[in-house]
Amino acid sequence: AQSVTQLGSHVSVSEGALVLLRCNYSSSVPPYLFWYVQYPNQGLQLLLKYTTGATLVKGINGFEAEFKKSETSFHLTKPSAHMSDAAEYFCAVSPTGFQKLVFGTGTRLLVSP
Amino acid sequence: DGGITQSPKYLFRKEGQNVTLSCEQNLNHDAMYWYRQDPGQGLRLIYYSQIVNDFQKGDIAEGYSVSREKKESFPLTVTSAQKNPTAFYLCASSISGPPTEAFFGQGTRLTVV
Repeated sequence: AQSVTQLGSHVSVSEGALVLLRCNYSSSVPPYLFWYVQYPNQGLQLLLKYTTGATLVKGINGFEAEFKKSETSFHLTKPSAHMSDAAEYFCAVSPTGFQKLVFGTGTRLLVSP
Repeated sequence: DGGITQSPKYLFRKEGQNVTLSCEQNLNHDAMYWYRQDPGQGLRLIYYSQIVNDFQKGDIAEGYSVSREKKESFPLTVTSAQKNPTAFYLCASSISGPPTEAFFGQGTRLTVV
């Protein structure tokens, strides 16, 4: 069975600081991996995804993530946090060739001035 | 513009009543999904459908029912058998083949009063 673990339900950073949100996955087959962002009382928006090929994936709003198979990780980073980045972030995994997405429990990013 | 529309955005239900949440998409996607979101628990899959007139139970289907009579529509009924229905419900859709990037609606917040 596939699963996703997001370390830290809340992460606090100062504006301009590095953002690092952690995601580890478990999958019996090569996975597809996703990061989504959710603003209050809204749906989820795709930030970036890894399917095949380059392991460093760039997404919207300056975010990027690196797929590390040996560590079964797909951590999300952004060099410099902005106040508008405050939101909840979800990591998700989908086994290759299968449609269901399995989500982590989410990490709320708090950005202080 | 193409997208997924969920209605209503807020819904109040008395205990013992069934209620139906609407989800419509004009993305020409074959697959549609319903997720339930509770604080600290991430998104949990209720039902999904890969094609018209076919659907499968997800991880927490008890107390819910769905239909898929049209490609564009995937309504979710929360029945009186659902013991704790107060939650945020998200509908999503995707293409039928991998990778399974899902597009989300804006959600419906259901409150039992």
